[in-house]
Amino acid sequence: SQQGEEDPQALSIQEGENATMNCSYKTSINNLQWYRQNSGRGLVHLILIRSNEREKHSGRLRVTLDTSKKSSSLLITASRAADTASYFCATVLNAGNNRKLIWGLGTSLAVNP
Amino acid sequence: DTEVTQTPKHLVMGMTNKKSLKCEQHMGHRAMYWYKQKAKKPPELMFVYSYEKLSINESVPSRFSPECPNSSLLNLHLHALQPEDSALYLCASSLTGLPISGDEQYFGPGTRLTVT
Repeated sequence: SQQGEEDPQALSIQEGENATMNCSYKTSINNLQWYRQNSGRGLVHLILIRSNEREKHSGRLRVTLDTSKKSSSLLITASRAADTASYFCATVLNAGNNRKLIWGLGTSLAVNP
Repeated sequence: DTEVTQTPKHLVMGMTNKKSLKCEQHMGHRAMYWYKQKAKKPPELMFVYSYEKLSINESVPSRFSPECPNSSLLNLHLHALQPEDSALYLCASSLTGLPISGDEQYFGPGTRLTVT
């Protein structure tokens, strides 16, 4: 079952602009992760943010987590054509011994040169 | 070495064929995963191995048979597949197992499978 819902489903911006993607979820989480997937290829892990963290940065990426609203956002600053990809959020629930990733439906980002 | 490798990159098979997908990692990760991904959809978990033992089977049809010969290798044996099984099959690994803690996963490039 899908826990995360992402919006927008698709986003088209110009190179140099910032891109923001949002992810909402329904139940208490252990952590939330963001992945990037270039067309038809494997996924690349971007950032993991734990439930007791509010913000993390990695290069041009900034992730926020609001557990009261059960939502997260991924901001890509100064976008480049190479950032064109699908971006997925994935949550890890607090329940259970073997914790698997529950995937959102993804946001397709197109960065136009 | 932070890479997960998968072979073959592409595979076309008939519904009566038997084939295998292979995955390898040398990062010392204790958990390994098989996912199936259809176009424009998120990955769907199929199997999880932890310390070379099957920990999670997401009710996958028996025509898919996983195998973990050692801590670095993961196979997916395919037999009598259906056209709807055509998809990108992704292998991933993560550091901890027993229990699988939900840490970040490292993905291979995938095998694009077409069943005719």
